Amino acid sequence: AQSVTQLGSHVSVSEGALVLLRCNYSSSVPPYLFWYVQYPNQGLQLLLKYTSAATLVKGINGFEAEFKKSETSFHLTKPSAHMSDAAEYFCAVSQGPSGGSNYKLTFGKGTLLTVNP
Amino acid sequence: NAGVMQNPRHLVRRRGQEARLRCSPMKGHSHVYWYRQLPEEGLKFMVYLQKENIIDESGMPKERFSAEFPKEGPSILRIQQVVRGDSAAYFCASSPSVASYEQYFGPGTRLTVT
Repeated sequence: AQSVTQLGSHVSVSEGALVLLRCNYSSSVPPYLFWYVQYPNQGLQLLLKYTSAATLVKGINGFEAEFKKSETSFHLTKPSAHMSDAAEYFCAVSQGPSGGSNYKLTFGKGTLLTVNP
Repeated sequence: NAGVMQNPRHLVRRRGQEARLRCSPMKGHSHVYWYRQLPEEGLKFMVYLQKENIIDESGMPKERFSAEFPKEGPSILRIQQVVRGDSAAYFCASSPSVASYEQYFGPGTRLTVT
């Protein structure tokens, strides 16, 4: 069984400040991990993914995330927030290379990011 | 290249009515996945379909819910005799040639049951 916990349903930062969105997971097998972003009235867009290669993963729009197995975490960061980053962010997990159902994504509840001018 | 299309975007149904949600995958994609997001919850996997086949319906409620992906036309998620607890956002995703975690999501259908 897998689960995802996103700490903080709402995070507010100032423009130019560091963005840190937290994600912890549990998985009985080595996982694949993902961050998705959802802008209002749009579908989820893949920001980045970890699939057992480098533990520091770079994604689109300047975001990156680090897989820390010992902490079962996959936190999302961006050094400097932009107004256009305001959106809802979802962390997700699926079974990794040893799992047969890696198409079955399990999502966290989401974190709404607000960027203040 | 159009993305995953879902319609309607918003659907209101009275208790006991039927709801039909449609999903057109990206061009060239033959694998479709449906997820449901209940209020204050994350998205939860419901079903995975290929053309004319249901591959994995382990997340689908046993009663009132069904899904299909015919040879021609969109995938349909059908909810019979809707109840208030069915109110949620329903997302469809698609992937190209194999079952994959690389899924492209549609904008979702918001179902409200009154």
